Amino acid sequence: KQEVTQIPAALSVPEGENLVLNCSFTDSAIYNLQWFRQDPGKGLTSLLLIQSSQREQTSGRLNASLDKSSGRSTLYIAASQPGDSATYLCAAIKAAGNKLTFGGGTRVLVKP
Amino acid sequence: DAGVIQSPRHEVTEMGQEVTLRCKPISGHNSLFWYRQTMMRGLELLIYFNNNVPIDDSGMPEDRFSAKMPNASFSTLKIQPSEPRDSAVYFCASSFFGGSYGYTFGSGTRLTVV
Repeated sequence: KQEVTQIPAALSVPEGENLVLNCSFTDSAIYNLQWFRQDPGKGLTSLLLIQSSQREQTSGRLNASLDKSSGRSTLYIAASQPGDSATYLCAAIKAAGNKLTFGGGTRVLVKP
Repeated sequence: DAGVIQSPRHEVTEMGQEVTLRCKPISGHNSLFWYRQTMMRGLELLIYFNNNVPIDDSGMPEDRFSAKMPNASFSTLKIQPSEPRDSAVYFCASSFFGGSYGYTFGSGTRLTVV
């Protein structure tokens, strides 16, 4: 059974600092890994999707890496801004089962 | 595209009443998922469909919960009878089979059972 873990559960940084968010998964036979952002009381917004054949994906200030052998993915957010404050969730997609398994999320606060 | 559309956005009901949540997936997507989010348990998969067929309903908490997908553009999640512990945010998501292009989530339905 796939288990996805995100540590730390919460993170506070000053504005301008780079953010590093970690995601680990127990079953390396994943199909894709997806990062989401969730603002309080809102739905999930997709940030980046990394397919199993890829090592990383980039979008603007965001970069996500994937290392299947070690069971890890990392989301980097460069030059953080107060607007980046949110909960960030990673989710692994099982190769055959087609369902997302979510980590518990990392709640980020970027202080002005 | 309007994205995944869920209704209602908020639902407050009394214990014992029937609750029906609705979802319209993105046109062309052939996989649909129902998730529940609570502070204690995070995001939990309840059930998912591929090509309108239920594939895995092992996450449905008990017989009070049922889900249907009568066609490719509509799904319902029904709770009968509802209980206070069912209070949560219920999300619907859709994707192409295999998730090659990722998953898109709706805005959710916040259910409060009093």
